[in-house]
Amino acid sequence: QSVLTQPPSASGTPGQRVTMSCSGSSSNIGRNTVNWYQQLPGTAPKLLIYRNNQRPSGVPDRFSGSKSGTSASLAISGLQSEDEADYYCAAWDDSLTGWMFGGGTKLTVL
Amino acid sequence: QVQLQQSGPGLVKPSQTLSLTCAISGDSVSSKSAAWNWIRQSPSRGLEWLGRTYYRSKWYNEYAVSVKSRITINPDTSKNQFSLHLNSVTPEDTAVYYCVELERGYWGQGTLVTVSS
Repeated sequence: QSVLTQPPSASGTPGQRVTMSCSGSSSNIGRNTVNWYQQLPGTAPKLLIYRNNQRPSGVPDRFSGSKSGTSASLAISGLQSEDEADYYCAAWDDSLTGWMFGGGTKLTVL
Repeated sequence: QVQLQQSGPGLVKPSQTLSLTCAISGDSVSSKSAAWNWIRQSPSRGLEWLGRTYYRSKWYNEYAVSVKSRITINPDTSKNQFSLHLNSVTPEDTAVYYCVELERGYWGQGTLVTVSS
């Protein structure tokens, strides 16, 4: 059971906008920033969003992040087939003194 | 461009020690703006943070509660690398292990470590 809760699956059609959630608590998302990672099959996760809403260079602006209270969201607009992947949220937890990950959301592009 | 290169055995016997090394290029293990983590991933446990080492005028280590009694992460400034040692392993420690700088998104290539006799 992950400390951060993500829906196990999400789906959308090409061109659509999809959002996925990440729910935490006051000791993690409520106090610290959230990162999002994309993992394509057979590869290491890749940083997609850091500090709630910042994109590393090279990440398309179709990807955006937001945070409110103890929850965070990742939005993907203009969905493309290559976006089909697992998406994980992560945040530092002050009580557990460590990085916590969500269980991941598997995105299917229909 | 920062690269992390992992090395170490892919097979460890139960009760023995799992040891992996992560060599850093393009950055310094002593950087005051980085933290060097070990994370593992398995189908049963998902992504699990194991611990980190970082330098802020002195060295700090922080470990996950789940492995705190069994883990050591050491920086090696002479070789610009850091290592993971996890002792008393069981089959439940079978996973892909990654060295990672989480905030800047630097990941090693991953090492599948299988614990089996």
